[in-house]
Amino acid sequence: AQKVTQAQTEISVVEKEDVTLDCVYETRDTTYYLFWYKQPPSGELVFLIRRNSFDEQNEISGRYSWNFQKSTSSFNFTITASQVVDSAVYFCALSEGYDMRFGAGTRLTVKP
Amino acid sequence: EAQVTQNPRYLITVTGKKLTVTCSQNMNHEYMSWYRQDPGLGLRQIYYSMNVEVTDKGDVPEGYKVSRKEKRNFPLILESPSPNQTSLYFCASSLSDSGTGGEQYFGPGTRLTVT
Repeated sequence: AQKVTQAQTEISVVEKEDVTLDCVYETRDTTYYLFWYKQPPSGELVFLIRRNSFDEQNEISGRYSWNFQKSTSSFNFTITASQVVDSAVYFCALSEGYDMRFGAGTRLTVKP
Repeated sequence: EAQVTQNPRYLITVTGKKLTVTCSQNMNHEYMSWYRQDPGLGLRQIYYSMNVEVTDKGDVPEGYKVSRKEKRNFPLILESPSPNQTSLYFCASSLSDSGTGGEQYFGPGTRLTVT
């Protein structure tokens, strides 16, 4: 059965620090998708990135970067030079076919 | 504006009183899904629908019903709510009709309290 583990429940950093959010997944399928979503204090869910299982290229988008490693079943998310506006709960998710499994989330607090 | 809407946004009800949370999307998406969010558990999938008249159970379907009679609407029905269904509920839709490989667009959430 598919499973997503976000071992870091809460992380607190000071502004401008780099921070990495870990995501480890389990699946028996060879075709699957991985996602990261952000949930700011206002409560909505904001899509950040999608990766399919055949694309292990790392991706960078501004201060955000993602490291997908099939060998370790990990899809980690790094924020460089964090800002107060990055404070949110971040969810990693795994999709196989039609169902979707989310991790428990990591609450990131960035202090000024 | 492309969006997923949910109503009501907040609801306080009593045990056993049937309720429906509506979800509607204007993006002509085939796939729709319901999730509940509870502290420490993340989001858990309740039901999903691949297209009109096609639905299937997610991880936590007990106590819930859904229907998909029109492509744009996917209501969540609690026929006899219980306090353990107190939660934050999200509806989502996606363009992908071959699974959730597509980006899911989420509604604003419905906070339900069952006393």
